[in-house]
Amino acid sequence: AQSVTQLDSHVSVSEGTPVLLRCNYSSSYSPSLFWYVQHPNKGLQLLLKYTSAATLVKGINGFEAEFKKSETSFHLTKPSAHMSDAAEYFCVVRNTGFQKLVFGTGTRLLVSP
Amino acid sequence: GAVVSQHPSWVICKSGTSVKIECRSLDFQATTMFWYRQFPKQSLMLMATSNEGSKATYEQGVEKDKFLINHASLTLSTLTVTSAHPEDSSFYICSASYRAEASYEQYFGPGTRLTVT
Repeated sequence: AQSVTQLDSHVSVSEGTPVLLRCNYSSSYSPSLFWYVQHPNKGLQLLLKYTSAATLVKGINGFEAEFKKSETSFHLTKPSAHMSDAAEYFCVVRNTGFQKLVFGTGTRLLVSP
Repeated sequence: GAVVSQHPSWVICKSGTSVKIECRSLDFQATTMFWYRQFPKQSLMLMATSNEGSKATYEQGVEKDKFLINHASLTLSTLTVTSAHPEDSSFYICSASYRAEASYEQYFGPGTRLTVT
């Protein structure tokens, strides 16, 4: 069975500093991995996805993530945080060939001026 | 492209009444639609999966008689919360998927906030 562990429930950064949101996964098959962002009272927006191609995935708004099979990790990074990045971030896993998504518990990113 | 809408975005209803939430794929035909529930400051919990023209598959612990799901067309699915109670108050999010390049992409609606008084 697949599972996702987001290691931090909250991450606080200052504007202009790097962002690191950590995610570890467990999957019996070759997984697809996603990062979604959710702003308050809004739906989910896909930031980026890994589907067995390049291990370094670039997404929208300057975010990127690296798939590391040996570490079963898919951490999300951004070189410089903006105030508008403050939101909830979800790491999600899906087994290849299946549709069901398994969500992590989420990480709230707080960005201070 | 791949836009999913939900209606209403916010609804308040009285305890004991039923409320219907619509999920539409606006620019694609969705082979499968999913309904999620999200409690405040928590993650999304999959409630059910529905394929057009067939009965929904509910996750363990989700009452199928309380949360009625209809997927009558390739662009519309509805979730009806029957005999709503305050504990049903939550944020309900749908997603729709279609097969693209040998994989299924899931696109999320903006969510519906249900408050039962």
